Amino acid sequence: GQSLEQPSEVTAVEGAIVQINCTYQTSGFYGLSWYQQHDGGAPTFLSYNALDGLEETGRFSSFLSRSDSYGYLLLQELQMKDSASYFCAVNTGFQKLVFGTGTRLLVSP
Amino acid sequence: DVKVTQSSRYLVKRTGEKVFLECVQDMDHENMFWYRQDPGLGLRLIYFSYDVKMKEKGDIPEGYSVSREKKERFSLILESASTNQTSMYLCASSLGTSGPTGELFFGEGSRLTVL
Repeated sequence: GQSLEQPSEVTAVEGAIVQINCTYQTSGFYGLSWYQQHDGGAPTFLSYNALDGLEETGRFSSFLSRSDSYGYLLLQELQMKDSASYFCAVNTGFQKLVFGTGTRLLVSP
Repeated sequence: DVKVTQSSRYLVKRTGEKVFLECVQDMDHENMFWYRQDPGLGLRLIYFSYDVKMKEKGDIPEGYSVSREKKERFSLILESASTNQTSMYLCASSLGTSGPTGELFFGEGSRLTVL
């Protein structure tokens, strides 16, 4: 079977740093993506890691360890607008993504 | 900007009705996908297509079919809607396999309620 595990909910305050972990078990692996989805909105792409290591894009960074089947999304300098659901997704080949169940991030003042 | 447009944001149908969900993308993407999203279950892949006339089953294809007659359009069909198909349906597109970026472009979703 295929499974991705991530925490269901994370809370933090404005200005803080939060890390959302994702562990996966899939039949194929070409890379790990992260998506953000605000309530009522479409998922939007944040980052993609095909190789081990850290990728940084502004306030967001994503990390991958293929040997541990593990990755995380790091959000720095949290803002209220970062309150959303975050999904990790494994590219199992040909851009076919298997998604985790999502982590709801609540940012408070 | 890539735009993926789903024809209906909200639909209410009766059990047994045939339902068509339409999706159009304007970036000449090779790949198109249909997912459904349910609380606590994340996004689950129903069907996908790598090219015109081609289709592949995803993880939960039962009760669904698809059609891709033109590159820009990918339709999801519920032959006989049932209440357990009440869900948010998300269409997505992506470039082909030349650059595996893991980036899908999603439409705004179609919320289907089956009574």
